[in-house]
Amino acid sequence: QSALTQPASVSGSPGQSITISCTGTSSDVGSYNLVSWYQQHPGKAPKLMIYEVSKRPSGVSNRFSGSKSGNTASLTISGLQAEDEADYYCCSYAGSSTFDVVFGGGTKLTVL
Amino acid sequence: QVQLQESGPGLVKPSQTLSLTCTVSGGSISSGSYYWSWIRQPAGKGLEWIGRIYTSGSTNYNPSLKSRVTISVDTSKNQFSLKLSSVTAADTAVYYCARSTVIGDWFDPWGQGTLVTVSS
Repeated sequence: QSALTQPASVSGSPGQSITISCTGTSSDVGSYNLVSWYQQHPGKAPKLMIYEVSKRPSGVSNRFSGSKSGNTASLTISGLQAEDEADYYCCSYAGSSTFDVVFGGGTKLTVL
Repeated sequence: QVQLQESGPGLVKPSQTLSLTCTVSGGSISSGSYYWSWIRQPAGKGLEWIGRIYTSGSTNYNPSLKSRVTISVDTSKNQFSLKLSSVTAADTAVYYCARSTVIGDWFDPWGQGTLVTVSS
């Protein structure tokens, strides 16, 4: 059982926007602005796409954006492209008294 | 730029100890402000954080694995290592090493991952 809850799958057509949610608790997502998002293509290592809720690492397209409200964080991908099809994982710091770091179960994005 | 590479046996027998090493290149593992972590992913499943180490030797572990996990660091070799004891088939997974910051536990970069199968 994953500590953070994500939808199993989302889909969208090229050019559209999609949003992936990541629901935690007041002990992790709700308490810290330390949510990160990772993109993983089949057979590859995860790649950091968003950190500290909404910051983009150098080299990541500005089509990727992050936000948070209460215990739920979100990843939005605008102008969907075929290469965005991948699995996406959220992650949150959870405090030193518990898991320290918790991941979501992952969301499969299909570009139709 | 910093790169990480996992190495170790791809096959481990049940009840034995899984041992992996992560070699860091392009930078010193001793440079401050970073944690060095292990994360695993069973086939077709999600990511699970195993634990992390700071270059001082301070460690934090996933409570669900804590009794079986040891992470250590060898600064002279620019490496850190994972030992997972009493393995079962449930420990079969791709194991990744990754770097995170001390201010916020986001993982970048990652190693390419190494598949470890637990089977007799």
